[in-house]
Order: sequence, then structure tokens, then C-alpha cells
Amino acid sequence: GNSVTQMEGPVTLSEEAFLTINCTYTATGYPSLFWYVQYPGEGLQLLLKATKADDKGSNKGFEATYRKETTSFHLEKGSVQVSDSAVYFCALSDRGNTGKLIFGQGTTLQVKP
Amino acid sequence: GAGVSQTPSNKVTEKGKYVELRCDPISGHTALYWYRQSLGQGPEFLIYFQGTGAADDSGLPNDRFFAVRPEGSVSTLKIQRTERGDSAVYLCASSFTGSSQETQYFGPGTRLLVL
Repeated sequence: GNSVTQMEGPVTLSEEAFLTINCTYTATGYPSLFWYVQYPGEGLQLLLKATKADDKGSNKGFEATYRKETTSFHLEKGSVQVSDSAVYFCALSDRGNTGKLIFGQGTTLQVKP
Repeated sequence: GAGVSQTPSNKVTEKGKYVELRCDPISGHTALYWYRQSLGQGPEFLIYFQGTGAADDSGLPNDRFFAVRPEGSVSTLKIQRTERGDSAVYLCASSFTGSSQETQYFGPGTRLLVL
């Protein structure tokens, strides 16, 4: 079945450090891939997405590239800020299904000043 | 415009009781999803509505769980004979058509605690 695996957290970084959060997936067909973020006290919101192989999603300085050959969608940011502290979820939506999302377990990021 | 809203924000109930959780999606969104998020985990799919009909209920854990969307907008998730293991945050999301490429917009969730 379809699944998403994320690197375990928590991840603790100093401000301005480089961030990578690994995400790999297993899916039939050609899924769309998403990163959702949950800031403290807030609901889930879309950070970025990519809908086909080699697409790069980007938003707020974050990037992720859809790599079909390695079934990966790693999240990166060149210089994190304290305000980036949140829980990050990688997710997929299989084209053959009903748009339902399958999430990874989430990775907590804490950025220290 | 208004986002997805959910009520109540918190619900405490006793084991064996019946509860209803409400979701009000973004106006004009035909697709509505329910997910359940346990502590420290990612959300897990429960059920998907396209308009008034449940197009995919494969994520409902058992027959104590039921959901309706009678007019194609507001949805209610109903849990009978609640158990302590039902304690979780129940999330609702909506999207414009339900395409796999679309962004889903999430509500703030209902935190259910079964004592």
C-alpha cells in the first residue's frame, strides 16, 4: 500500500543553519507530493507541493524536488529562522484514489536563536 | 474569506457515550475529508465526501464511526459507544473538486478526550 516515511525528530538547529528533512514514499502510479506545516497552536497548512516528477515546489524559502528515481521529496531551507519552529508533515495523494492524503509521522523542528 | 471551521474545539466525554463533531468547509468546495490525528503521529484518513455522498469510507476504523453530509456542505462525524482509544484530534479538510493535485485546507480540529 501507499506510505510515507519521514526522518525522525526532533531536529534542533541554530538560527541561519541549513535544514534538510528527509521524506521517502511508496506509491502505485504517480502521486502528488506535499509538505504541510503545523505551527504551535495553529492548524495544518500547506507549505509547498509538486504534482509530477522533477517538479520543484517552493514557498517561504523552503524547497522540495519530486524525485521519482529515488521516490523522495526532501524538504530544504538554506537559512532557518526561529519562526520556522513547527511540525512538518510530508504527504502524498495517489492519482488513482480520491485525493485522500497519506501522511508521514511528522518531524518537529526547533530553531534556537 | 472564511476557512474551514470545526466545532466544538474540545470535547470531553465518558466511555460509552455518543458524540457528534461538526465541520463547515470552505464555501464552494465539493470535496470534504475527515482525518484523525493521534498524539505524535500524522493525520490518518477516515472518510471522503464528494458532494453529499461518501465516495471513500475505507478509513473508518469500525461501524461505531459514521459521517454524513446531507446538503453537500456541512458534515457531521458521529461516534457511537465511544472508547478511550477514540481519544485524538479529529481534523476536517476541504478542497475544490477532490483532485489529487489540489491543496486541502484544514480546520483547527476537534480534540476529543474519552474518559
